Amino acid sequence: DAGVIQSPRHEVTEMGQEVTLRCKPISGHDYLFWYRQTMMRGLELLIYFNNNVPIDDSGMPEDRFSAKMPNASFSTLKIQPSEPRDSAVYFCASSLSGLRPGANVLTFGAGSRLTVL
Amino acid sequence: DAKTTQPPSMDCAEGRAANLPCNHSTISGNEYVYWYRQIHSQGPQYIIHGLKNNETNEMASLIITEDRKSSTLILPHATLRDTAVYYCIVRVDGSNYQLIWGAGTKLIIKP
Repeated sequence: DAGVIQSPRHEVTEMGQEVTLRCKPISGHDYLFWYRQTMMRGLELLIYFNNNVPIDDSGMPEDRFSAKMPNASFSTLKIQPSEPRDSAVYFCASSLSGLRPGANVLTFGAGSRLTVL
Repeated sequence: DAKTTQPPSMDCAEGRAANLPCNHSTISGNEYVYWYRQIHSQGPQYIIHGLKNNETNEMASLIITEDRKSSTLILPHATLRDTAVYYCIVRVDGSNYQLIWGAGTKLIIKP
């Protein structure tokens, strides 16, 4: 497996523009997580899905952020409109539930570095 | 999930064992100790986890004290590529995915 795939790796945009970040989890994993990392706040969980259903979105900062998981192999995180304070690295991670070897371990993607000017 | 305490930074000479401590004095009986690391500009990477017994894999060893209030991650022969931020997390497997990551320990391996 190629691991968790995120795109784009880098995005530079202007304030007010829409940003869409994409994630392909590891095949067979039933949990998907979106994290945001900044120097000031560290690694923060934004939202996570189980079997494509959003379970907890309490970490989503405000209504400008939305996330979807239309199927088991794809998820998006959208910011509309974007603001300079949204500048951060956004990570997607996936994991397998249950008691099998390797379950409950988060596998992270390489991240998407977002800069909002 | 319980909170953990780690030193903000540590140095280690290349080739020596790196011993990274973590305090988790409020850990519950069914909470596992997980270690991840984050190399600069990359996503966090899983290293090892355990419940109460010591664990070893190809990357590291995990030593958990008998009272489970603290643990030590051991990198037996540190290399320059082990320079990273190391995170200690405690959690109940299969529940509460709101992991508390903290600031971790910045480990610098020196030649």
